[in-house]
Amino acid sequence: DTGVSQNPRHKITKRGQNVTFRCDPISEHNRLYWYRQTLGQGPEFLTYFQNEAQLEKSRLLSDRFSAERPKGSFSTLEIQRTEQGDSAMYLCASSNGGFGNTIYFGEGSWLTVV
Amino acid sequence: GQQVMQIPQYQHVQEGEDFTTYCNSSTTLSNIQWYKQRPGGHPVFLIQLVKSGEVKKQKRLTFQFGEAKKNSSLHITATQTTDVGTYFCAGPSSSGNTPLVFGKGTRLSVIA
Repeated sequence: DTGVSQNPRHKITKRGQNVTFRCDPISEHNRLYWYRQTLGQGPEFLTYFQNEAQLEKSRLLSDRFSAERPKGSFSTLEIQRTEQGDSAMYLCASSNGGFGNTIYFGEGSWLTVV
Repeated sequence: GQQVMQIPQYQHVQEGEDFTTYCNSSTTLSNIQWYKQRPGGHPVFLIQLVKSGEVKKQKRLTFQFGEAKKNSSLHITATQTTDVGTYFCAGPSSSGNTPLVFGKGTRLSVIA
């Protein structure tokens, strides 16, 4: 059984450029989450999907951020017009069932905006 | 909104000493989960506690869930260098309608 897979693992981009991250969850998991983590902080919730439906978005998710999960399998997180404050690790996680269930994180995608 | 707080933020111990981190939620939790993140790594699930007053052990790690289901603790006996990392607690609200909210974690350093 493969775990949650994310790519790219590292991305350095110039301010103003767009970036896209991909997440492949554990295959039988119906829920997929995106979190953001900066140095010295815990993961902060961004958004989640149940199958292909995006059910909740955090206030942290500005208009420059968009996430999709078109077929209820993999997901993409796009950041448009990146800013230096977007530099962080973007973590994808998946789970089966409700919020009380364990979530399993991928290795994360590190974004550095220069 | 729901907040999860952890103390201490940092802990430096000599190898062999014990270590405890505490977690407090502003709201009652349906369950509490603990994760460990090694330096440069990603959070890895350790355990989930569901019942009020529950205590679970994993080798040298002991996890407790408070009677009111608003606090929890993780205790490590006789720390080893392999215990180095940041320990996070996380929980959904008692309604179960919110995604996991994480604390800021306790970063453990173990000096050999």
